[in-house]
Amino acid sequence: DVKVTQSSRYLVKRTGEKVFLECVQDMDHENMFWYRQDPGLGLRLIYFSYDVKMKEKGDIPEGYSVSREKKERFSLILESASTNQTSMYLCASSLAGDSPLHFGNGTRLTVT
Amino acid sequence: AQRVTQPEKLLSVFKGAPVELKCNYSYSGSPELFWYVQYSRQRLQLLLRHISRESIKGFTADLNKGETSFHLKKPFAQEEDSAMYYCALSRLGGGADGLTFGKGTHLIIQP
Repeated sequence: DVKVTQSSRYLVKRTGEKVFLECVQDMDHENMFWYRQDPGLGLRLIYFSYDVKMKEKGDIPEGYSVSREKKERFSLILESASTNQTSMYLCASSLAGDSPLHFGNGTRLTVT
Repeated sequence: AQRVTQPEKLLSVFKGAPVELKCNYSYSGSPELFWYVQYSRQRLQLLLRHISRESIKGFTADLNKGETSFHLKKPFAQEEDSAMYYCALSRLGGGADGLTFGKGTHLIIQP
């Protein structure tokens, strides 16, 4: 069974801090994704990666960056956290282009 | 660009009643449609995909290309069906650019 692990379940950060959200998958999946989940807005794609060192912008990349130095790890970076980035962040991976996504448990980030 | 619409934010039905969660999409190519479910305090997980044509936990969904819909149905709701449901679209055979999700429907099954 695919396991997608997000390093933190809850995070509280201050405005202006640099924040790292880590995600690791154990099934050698090519593709990895970062979504944010907000009530009434559903899931919105921030960034995705289809290979090591490759990254593509999703629908809402502003204020975020990503890093994929190893196939199993995909990091989301908030360069300077702001209160409007308070949200649930979901990491996912998939084997191929139209394969189902496997999600992590999520990281609930609060920026004060 | 593709879009997925779930018109109901909240749907409340009684146990034993039929359930239909609506999903409409817009996409010019050949889509693949999914339903994902998130139970309380659990991770988001795949419920079913149209290409599999299977019934999971009593739920079925049929892709209607004419109406661009992929509604999720269950004839008799159970309390354990209470959850958040998301409809999602992927470009069939397309690239690795993830899924486009609807805004979700919160299904509440009343005893």
